[in-house]
This record gives sequence, C-alpha cells and structure tokens, in this order.
Amino acid sequence: RKEVEQDPGPFNVPEGATVAFNCTYSNSASQSFFWYRQDCRKEPKLLMSVYSSGNEDGRFTAQLNRASQYISLLIRDSKLSDSATYLCVVASGSARQLTFGSGTQLTVLP
Amino acid sequence: EPEVTQTPSHQVTQMGQEVILRCVPISNHLYFYWYRQILGQKVEFLVSFYNNEISEKSEIFDDQFSVERPDGSNFTLKIRSTKLEDSAMYFCASTEFSNQPQHFGDGTRLSIL
Repeated sequence: RKEVEQDPGPFNVPEGATVAFNCTYSNSASQSFFWYRQDCRKEPKLLMSVYSSGNEDGRFTAQLNRASQYISLLIRDSKLSDSATYLCVVASGSARQLTFGSGTQLTVLP
Repeated sequence: EPEVTQTPSHQVTQMGQEVILRCVPISNHLYFYWYRQILGQKVEFLVSFYNNEISEKSEIFDDQFSVERPDGSNFTLKIRSTKLEDSAMYFCASTEFSNQPQHFGDGTRLSIL
C-alpha cells in the first residue's frame, strides 16, 4: 500500500475555477502534514501546513481528518500561476522525515 | 528571505566514481535532510542529521552513502561508488525545529554515465 496516495491528475481547469485535491496516508502515527508545490524540475516549495482544525491562506484552504487519514486542499479563483504539481506530504519518525505523495498535476488554462 | 543553497547545480560523473554534493542550510537551522527524486518519480527521503549525527535513514541510504557536516555551515552527501540508478535530483532541506516545515534547496541534478 502506498504510504501517501494522491490522484495524479492531470487537472485542467479554466482561470477562476475552484479545484480540490485529496490525499490519504497510511501511517496513523504521522505527526505533521503539509502541502508543497513543485514546478517542473524545481524544488518542492511549502504551500501550507495542514491542521486538524482546518486552515486557510488566501485562496487556499487545507483540511486534515486524522480519523480517516485524509488531507485535502481547495484552491479558489485559480490563477495561471497556480499551474504546478501539488504534493501531499506527511512527516513522521523521530526526525520528522517527510514522505511525499506522487503529486497531482494542475494546469490552469486561460 | 534566507535560503538553502546547493552546489553544484548539475554534476556529471562516470559510473564507479565518487561524488560529493554540497549544501549550505539556513544558518539557524538545526535539522538537515537529504532527499532524492528520480526523474518522473516522487521525492524520497534519504537521511536526516541532527546534533552531528544521523538521526534517521531510509533503505536507500546504504553503505555507499555518507553525510558529513565538516564545518559550521556545510552539509555534504557523498556517494562512494556511483551507479547508473543514482542518477536523480538530490535535494537538501533544513529546519530549525523538527516539527516545523522543511525548506528545500534548489537541488543538484546528478547524471551518472
């Protein structure tokens, strides 16, 4: 079973659309949760941490359901610059090493 | 904003040769990591380093790999005898506290011929 599982997409949406990504993780002892974005052949960049209470950063909203081991990301009013691969990331272990999903590819179309 | 820096950006090496990848973590960070990403695949954890010793390592991090913090600023990954399958992007990351998000360098592309 994959440790962090995401729908690979691709998601092709028009500008201004709302798009939602989902992710599940298998390690119930996971301690921290994040969404990173990765542009083609670039490093992962932190988009936001994810908390059980849910959190919002501008057009981005993330949710965590520990009971279901499920993480989500909602992007509202999508922009061309949102085109990237979105990585669901889970931290576990004594060093909080990161386990990455394979990513969901988003293309926002003009 | 402080950055994690990595050198070189691209390293081409013959199979069987040793290679050293270098990273300068953010200055007040205490936890350091190496990850790799084979082309078209997901990012994979290699090793974590804290208080001058390895704290965790993955199955990928075998005897061919080693890490070192030779001075107060650099953090290096050495591959002793490279294989074709070591070709990948190698990312260094650091964080001040382990429960905080990790910040990634822009990576070294390693190509083994």
